[in-house]
Parts: sequence; structure tokens; C-alpha cells
Amino acid sequence: DAKTTQPPSMDCAEGRAANLPCNHSTISGNEYVYWYRQIHSQGPQYIIHGLKNNETNEMASLIITEDRKSSTLILPHATLRDTAVYYCIVRVNNDMRFGAGTRLTVKP
Amino acid sequence: DGGITQSPKYLFRKEGQNVTLSCEQNLNHDAMYWYRQDPGQGLRLIYYSQIVNDFQKGDIAEGYSVSREKKESFPLTVTSAQKNPTAFYLCASSIGVSSPDTQYFGPGTRLTVL
Repeated sequence: DAKTTQPPSMDCAEGRAANLPCNHSTISGNEYVYWYRQIHSQGPQYIIHGLKNNETNEMASLIITEDRKSSTLILPHATLRDTAVYYCIVRVNNDMRFGAGTRLTVKP
Repeated sequence: DGGITQSPKYLFRKEGQNVTLSCEQNLNHDAMYWYRQDPGQGLRLIYYSQIVNDFQKGDIAEGYSVSREKKESFPLTVTSAQKNPTAFYLCASSIGVSSPDTQYFGPGTRLTVL
């Protein structure tokens, strides 16, 4: 599975959009981009995934660049409850290779 | 109410004892997984099972054992051979048919070996 690179931490003001970047320059054509988040001492929560096209669901939007070498997870209106570690994963098989993720802190 | 349950949430054991962590799912998923998470780090795959009565080793299987006698259950035994068993253990399941195959996680069990 391709390796991902994420910033270790980010801050966001409550009510503003949180944009979390992920680089996956070695991604191959059949690897999906997945995003999960983990609130302290809980199991990871699935957010969204995509292959080529941008995706949106009730939680977030996923923007994947045309060359697929990077992506951005967008939380449109961050709340305090969105404070968590966000993991970007690229995979084609069933092994979810989690890195260290980005610790997002939403501040009042 | 469908989901994945892990019990207990916190578990304490003395060094040298085997301990079994429970994972149950009522999602009718074929595939189940066990991960280990150490403080400040990502998840590492211990074992996975794609079908009843079959399972494969992940990246860090040494010192662990599993069974998959029922579709709903995938217990993990941490044996005395595991050199550093204190960690947060996460179970996940997925439909298991083909890619993409989203994994859904349980709440985790925090094991502390004294």
C-alpha cells in the first residue's frame, strides 16, 4: 500500500472549515483513499473514501487532485466534537495501514 | 442496533498470564480484524479472518492467537509469549467481498499487564 504524509497537528476555529491535507505521491491506479478519525481512547470512525472523483457525505468532503498524488479532507463547519486524530490511508486490500495522522484541535 | 462490541473496555492482568479479548459483530460481515495501537502511534495489524474457520497473520502476530468458529465472533488471545502486551486493542469488521471494503471498528479494549 502507498505511504501517506500528513502534518502532525492543525488548529481550526469552531464554525470554520477544517481542511486536512494528505500526500500520497506513490499511489497506484487501483488504490482508494480512505479517511478515518479517532477520538481519544475510542475506536477509529470511518469518514469517507474515494478513488478519483471528489466525494461528499454527511460528515465531510474529499477532494482528490487530478494526478491523485494528494487529497484534502474538508469538514465544512468544524465543531468542538471534531477534535480528533485524522488518518489518511491509501489501500487496495484489506490491510488498513494507519500512520500517525493529523491531530486536529478545534478551538472556541 | 447493529455494531461491533468489545469487552471489557479495560483489562488488567499479571505478567505471564494468557488473556482473551472478546470481539462480537452483528453486521453479518465476513471479514474481521485485530489491531494493536501503542500511545501516539497508528494501528498495526495482528490477525485477520476473511471467513469462518480461516485466519491469517498480520504484521505483528507473534505472541497472539485467534479463532474464528462463528461468523459473529473473533476472539484474540494475548499469550505470555507476547513481550510487551500492554496496549490498546481494536477489533474491526468488513463485508469482505471485494475492494473497496470499508472496515468498521469497535470501541477497543485497553490491556494493562502488571
